[in-house]
Amino acid sequence: QKEVEQDPGPLSVPEGAIVSLNCTYSNSAFQYFMWYRQYSRKGPELLMYTYSSGNKEDGRFTAQVDKSSKYISLFIRDSQPSDSATYLCAMSGKETSGSRLTFGEGTQLTVNP
Amino acid sequence: DVKVTQSSRYLVKRTGEKVFLECVQDMDHENMFWYRQDPGLGLRLIYFSYDVKMKEKGDIPEGYSVSREKKERFSLILESASTNQTSMYLCASIARGRLYGYTFGSGTRLTVV
Repeated sequence: QKEVEQDPGPLSVPEGAIVSLNCTYSNSAFQYFMWYRQYSRKGPELLMYTYSSGNKEDGRFTAQVDKSSKYISLFIRDSQPSDSATYLCAMSGKETSGSRLTFGEGTQLTVNP
Repeated sequence: DVKVTQSSRYLVKRTGEKVFLECVQDMDHENMFWYRQDPGLGLRLIYFSYDVKMKEKGDIPEGYSVSREKKERFSLILESASTNQTSMYLCASIARGRLYGYTFGSGTRLTVV
């Protein structure tokens, strides 16, 4: 079983839709939860991170972590064509050697004008 | 602007060739990583390094080696390229002690024929 499972998609939504991206994990030692965005032919870039449980909001993006259920989500409100990308969840914990991250497999999102 | 630079965007090599992928970062980061990214499999860690001349195997090190002679440079070596090593290769770096916020390069798309 993979340590991190991500809804694989792909997802195709109309402009303005609310998008929900989700990951589950099995390692209870994970404490930092991240979302990376990767545009076509580019490397991933950090979009948001959350420490432990709770919500974090940044503009149209909200990251949610539920450690009791080992479930994290990224919500995108009023989605735009420029949000079309692959979204990767990633996790780490203090016991993780050398700052290594464990990634989900990514969800490809297309927002149609 | 801080950067992780991968020397080639696209490479085509023949089966059996020795292949060098180079990565340079200008952020004085201690930790550097090599991942490969494949559809449906996400990012998988090949090797990482937490200091000059130090290296640790990731999840899929077979067929690869690495070299870190200088802090800013981390090289991935395919000793004898095979077609199943056709992939997108991503380099990343992060400062020691940080548990989120990798900086990724733009990737090298390697095709082995």
